[in-house]
Amino acid sequence: NAGVMQNPRHLVRRRGQEARLRCSPMKGHSHVYWYRQLPEEGLKFMVYLQKENIIDESGMPKERFSAEFPKEGPSILRIQQVVRGDSAAYFCASSPGYGPEQYFGPGTRLTVT
Amino acid sequence: RKEVEQDPGPFNVPEGATVAFNCTYSNSASQSFFWYRQDCRKEPKLLMSVYSSGNEDGRFTAQLNRASQYISLLIRDSKLSDSATYLCVVVAGTGNQFYFGTGTSLTVIP
Repeated sequence: NAGVMQNPRHLVRRRGQEARLRCSPMKGHSHVYWYRQLPEEGLKFMVYLQKENIIDESGMPKERFSAEFPKEGPSILRIQQVVRGDSAAYFCASSPGYGPEQYFGPGTRLTVT
Repeated sequence: RKEVEQDPGPFNVPEGATVAFNCTYSNSASQSFFWYRQDCRKEPKLLMSVYSSGNEDGRFTAQLNRASQYISLLIRDSKLSDSATYLCVVVAGTGNQFYFGTGTSLTVIP
């Protein structure tokens, strides 16, 4: 059973470009969470999605950030017009929904130059 | 006030030592509690759940004190492979969001 998969593992973008981060949950998991870890800081919750629904986006910045989890395919975290402060590790986690445990993917390290 | 507070350390201990980490949380309605381990530049991995009755897994013991809103992790007979950052996690909210502490860094020295 493959774990949570994220790609790309490393992403470099220039200021003003768009970044798209993908997450495929573990098989059988229908709940996806996105977290951001800034250098020297803890992980911060961004958004919680189920298939075709955003359940809680209280941790998402109000502008430039969006997330989706379509019926088919991976969950996507999209950052428009990236700025240097967006440089961080973005982790996706999934859960089956019947317990609180979450399982994390290897993360995408975004660098904005 | 932060949701979860941890002493960042670092803790540098010799092999075989016993080390304890502590964590406090602010939301009394928090539902579940975990310790995760994160190696450098890797993803967090579940170490163990934390219950009021205590939870032991080999050399690791976790404890929850709901009255004091306090969580602990005890590692006995430390191994070199225990070197990592230990993350206290509190689950709250309708969506089971994880609230992470900033992590406690442990280095076990030969």
